[in-house]
Amino acid sequence: QKEVEQDPGPLSVPEGAIVSLNCTYSNSAFQYFMWYRQYSRKGPELLMYTYSSGNKEDGRFTAQVDKSSKYISLFIRDSQPSDSATYLCAMSRETGGGADGLTFGKGTHLIIQP
Amino acid sequence: KAGVTQTPRYLIKTRGQQVTLSCSPISGHRSVSWYQQTPGQGLQFLFEYFSETQRNKGNFPGRFSGRQFSNSRSEMNVSTLELGDSALYLCASSLVGTGKSYNEQFFGPGTRLTVL
Repeated sequence: QKEVEQDPGPLSVPEGAIVSLNCTYSNSAFQYFMWYRQYSRKGPELLMYTYSSGNKEDGRFTAQVDKSSKYISLFIRDSQPSDSATYLCAMSRETGGGADGLTFGKGTHLIIQP
Repeated sequence: KAGVTQTPRYLIKTRGQQVTLSCSPISGHRSVSWYQQTPGQGLQFLFEYFSETQRNKGNFPGRFSGRQFSNSRSEMNVSTLELGDSALYLCASSLVGTGKSYNEQFFGPGTRLTVL
């Protein structure tokens, strides 16, 4: 079993829909939880990070972490075609990954249909 | 401020050869991490360097090695290439010890390595 599980999709939704992306993990030592977005032929870019449990909102994006269930989510409201990309969850024990680096899910390929 | 740059962007090699990839971090960033991204395994941590020292290494064979120079630029080397080494190799840099609540890892565009 991988440390971080993420459904690879593809997930296809119509423009304007609410998108829900999820990851589960097994290592209880993880303290930092991140969501990266990766467009084709580009490196990942950080969307949001959360420390420990709780919710965090940034514009159309909301990240949730439930450490008791080892489950994290990313919600995208009013989805746009430009949101079409691969979304990667990532986790670490230390801020920014530290010496251990980041542990990633495999990524969910999201398609927003105009 | 310029982002993380990686060279070359694309490489084609044959089995048994070796390859060296280069990464220039964002100015002022002293931590450089390398990752391998494949469709089957996703993004996997290779190693991390800080102040010219490798602090940690992921679960990869000894054919994968790296180094960091005094200007924080980093190289990774793969010897005796195998078909399974075909992947996107990503470099990320970050600040360390800033006192901020979170030190973001900034990724470069990657080097696409194809082994024939």
